[in-house]
Amino acid sequence: EPEVTQTPSHQVTQMGQEVILRCVPISNHLYFYWYRQILGQKVEFLVSFYNNEISEKSEIFDDQFSVERPDGSNFTLKIRSTKLEDSAMYFCASRRDRVEPEAFFGQGTRLTVV
Amino acid sequence: AQTVTQSQPEMSVQEAETVTLSCTYDTSESDYYLFWYKQPPSRQMILVIRQEAYKQQNATENRFSVNFQKAAKSFSLKISDSQLGDAAMYFCAFKPLMNRDDKIIFGKGTRLHILP
Repeated sequence: EPEVTQTPSHQVTQMGQEVILRCVPISNHLYFYWYRQILGQKVEFLVSFYNNEISEKSEIFDDQFSVERPDGSNFTLKIRSTKLEDSAMYFCASRRDRVEPEAFFGQGTRLTVV
Repeated sequence: AQTVTQSQPEMSVQEAETVTLSCTYDTSESDYYLFWYKQPPSRQMILVIRQEAYKQQNATENRFSVNFQKAAKSFSLKISDSQLGDAAMYFCAFKPLMNRDDKIIFGKGTRLHILP
């Protein structure tokens, strides 16, 4: 069964460093998302991406964040200068098309900023 | 703004018994989807069940069923014959039908413990 794959599963980084979280969405899906979950809290929307551009972003998704689909298969989230409060679980998700509402989630990347 | 509220941070149920997790939501939309996601200790988000708001019939998936009350904006999840593998965090979620608002909105979750 096709699935969304995220790498790495756990990343530890020093405050101020740049990190890139990687995702391989399901191959025939057209809509891509990043969500994050701070430990013990709810899952929050960060950004949605369609047709090689951001379609919506939340207030959390400030200038420190960027997304890219560099090669038609990977979907990346970059955090330019990490802060302690960026420590969270980051989930990538993909959705097939406009009609299908279900988003399929990856297993997440746990980001720890020290 | 749409919100999803899960008023039970934690619940426990005896193995083989039935448990109901509550969820309410607030929206001015008339067409939308509602979901229950399960997050086991592995942290992956797994879709358990979904409901289209325009459908009056409550969705069921094997041991999982929902009680969707559109007027009351209530969407509870019933798990029958609870199994140890059902232990997880359960998130209720909402998505408007119109794609101008593309994101899924999650509640804070209910942690379900299964007692052997």
